[in-house]
Amino acid sequence: AQSVTQPDIHITVSEGASLELRCNYSYGATPYLFWYVQSPGQGLQLLLKYFSGDTLVQGIKGFEAEFKRSQSSFNLRKPSVHWSDAAEYFCAVIFSGGYNKLIFGAGTRLAVHP
Amino acid sequence: DVKVTQSSRYLVKRTGEKVFLECVQDMDHENMFWYRQDPGLGLRLIYFSYDVKMKEKGDIPEGYSVSREKKERFSLILESASTNQTSMYLCASSSLPTGISSGNEQFFGPGTRLTVL
Repeated sequence: AQSVTQPDIHITVSEGASLELRCNYSYGATPYLFWYVQSPGQGLQLLLKYFSGDTLVQGIKGFEAEFKRSQSSFNLRKPSVHWSDAAEYFCAVIFSGGYNKLIFGAGTRLAVHP
Repeated sequence: DVKVTQSSRYLVKRTGEKVFLECVQDMDHENMFWYRQDPGLGLRLIYFSYDVKMKEKGDIPEGYSVSREKKERFSLILESASTNQTSMYLCASSSLPTGISSGNEQFFGPGTRLTVL
């Protein structure tokens, strides 16, 4: 079955530290890949997306993600975390064409210590 | 900016009530989606619609129905609310995919937190 795995349910980092959130998906063909962020009480906001081309994708708020086909991964990174980055992060995948059906991971909740 | 609005941020209903959740988007998007979000499960697709009066079941359609009479409005209906439908409900919309570089991004509303007592 098509699935998206975010292995880390909770992550805590210190402000200014680097961050990497993991995402793995099941499927052979190259999917469309997304990272969304949800701040407390808010809807989801798109951080970045990958469809094709350069496997290192830059997004908003200083985030980037790298698509690694061999590992079926699309990990999200930020070199220096700010307190305002505390939120829940969702990896999502469109596995096949038509209707834009997104499959979401379970999410990673990020806490930032001052 | 794309705007997706949902009729209520918080809703409290009783078991057995019929519940309507409304979603409106202002970007003339063809696709609209309803998800529920539960801790540890991420977002799960309930129903989606790719055109007016068209609907498709998602992964967890049981206990729900939808209505799309106008392009900009997509309603989620709980025919007889139950306590296990207490959840956060998120609506989203997107344009049709037109190619590899097209914007298949889904735009989300702020969510409705529904409590069924």
